[in-house]
Amino acid sequence: LAKTTQPISMDSYEGQEVNITCSHNNIATNDYITWYQQFPSQGPRFIIQGYKTKVTNEVASLFIPADRKSSTLSLPRVSLSDTAVYYCLVGEDKLIFGAGTRLAVHP
Amino acid sequence: DAGVIQSPRHEVTEMGQEVTLRCKPISGHNSLFWYRQTMMRGLELLIYFNNNVPIDDSGMPEDRFSAKMPNASFSTLKIQPSEPRDSAVYFCASSPTGVTDYGYTFGSGTRLTVV
Repeated sequence: LAKTTQPISMDSYEGQEVNITCSHNNIATNDYITWYQQFPSQGPRFIIQGYKTKVTNEVASLFIPADRKSSTLSLPRVSLSDTAVYYCLVGEDKLIFGAGTRLAVHP
Repeated sequence: DAGVIQSPRHEVTEMGQEVTLRCKPISGHNSLFWYRQTMMRGLELLIYFNNNVPIDDSGMPEDRFSAKMPNASFSTLKIQPSEPRDSAVYFCASSPTGVTDYGYTFGSGTRLTVV
């Protein structure tokens, strides 16, 4: 199973764009890259998923370079409610969670 | 769509007692996953099913843990006997089939406290 590496924590301010980069050097050909968000006392929530290039939805964008050994989750204009833990995962049939990135958004 | 439904939301039990956690996946989802979350170990995958069949139970910590999926709409995770170190939040998740464009949908979790 591919392992991921992402920063333990990040700080930002309301209205800023936040980019969280994840490394997955051993990603397999069939693996997808998926990002989840988790608030305290809740289950993780799917944010975005991609295989290559760029994916955008109403919540975030996901940038994946050609070699797929890393990916960047971009959150535009964060608000206080975006304070959460963000997990980067790679896999085909099952997802193994790492420690995630604890994002704190300040007023 | 009611999402993934887990019960109970909270469970407090004494060491040595049997505990059964329940999960109803989203209708039409073929894959079901059980995770455990603690501060020390984070989110751990315990077991997952595909079409009601256990595919990978390598994450089940020991024989005290067992999981079943008798039909497509119900799964249980049982701990017998329970121990204080089993205290955690247990999440159930389902997906249409493995990793998809929509990812997994998680339930609200069951917070288990073993005293």
